[in-house]
Amino acid sequence: AQSVSQHNHHVILSEAASLELGCNYSYGGTVNLFWYVQYPGQHLQLLLKYFSGDPLVKGIKGFEAEFIKSKFSFNLRKPSVQWSDTAEYFCAAAPSGSARQLTFGSGTQLTVLP
Amino acid sequence: NAGVMQNPRHLVRRRGQEARLRCSPMKGHSHVYWYRQLPEEGLKFMVYLQKENIIDESGMPKERFSAEFPKEGPSILRIQQVVRGDSAAYFCASSPNGAGGHTGELFFGEGSRLTVL
Repeated sequence: AQSVSQHNHHVILSEAASLELGCNYSYGGTVNLFWYVQYPGQHLQLLLKYFSGDPLVKGIKGFEAEFIKSKFSFNLRKPSVQWSDTAEYFCAAAPSGSARQLTFGSGTQLTVLP
Repeated sequence: NAGVMQNPRHLVRRRGQEARLRCSPMKGHSHVYWYRQLPEEGLKFMVYLQKENIIDESGMPKERFSAEFPKEGPSILRIQQVVRGDSAAYFCASSPNGAGGHTGELFFGEGSRLTVL
């Protein structure tokens, strides 16, 4: 069965610190990978996605993620976080060619201190 | 993304009552998904529907929960005889028709937060 694991439940950083959120997936075939962000009181928004090609993908608001196939990982990074990045971040995976069941990780709550 | 409309945003029910949550997908989308987010947990897939068809309901509890997506009107997630454990945020998402194949990208609504007293 497909699964997605996020290692950190809660991360607290000061502004300007660098961020890396871990994500590992378990699936035997080719997958599409996503990071979604949920700001307080808002709906989930797509941050970035990987389907194929360059394993380093850039998303909105300065975020990027690297797909490492050998490690089944898709970690999210940002060189310098801002207070406005405080949100919950969800990693997700779906089998390529199918939207039938997007599987989410349990989420990481990021708190950025001003 | 704000095109996926869910209502009500907040719903309070007493144990034993029924809850109905509605979702209108983005214009041109005919695939609807329902997810449940329990406190301090991630989103859990419940059901995937296309117009008038349930495609995958493997995440739906076997009892009390049902979903539909009629030819006309919004998709409805119905919870009968609610219990306290049903308190959660229920998110609807939609995706476009399969032109180019399914990519897995979903567009989410703002969620309906159900509180069972």
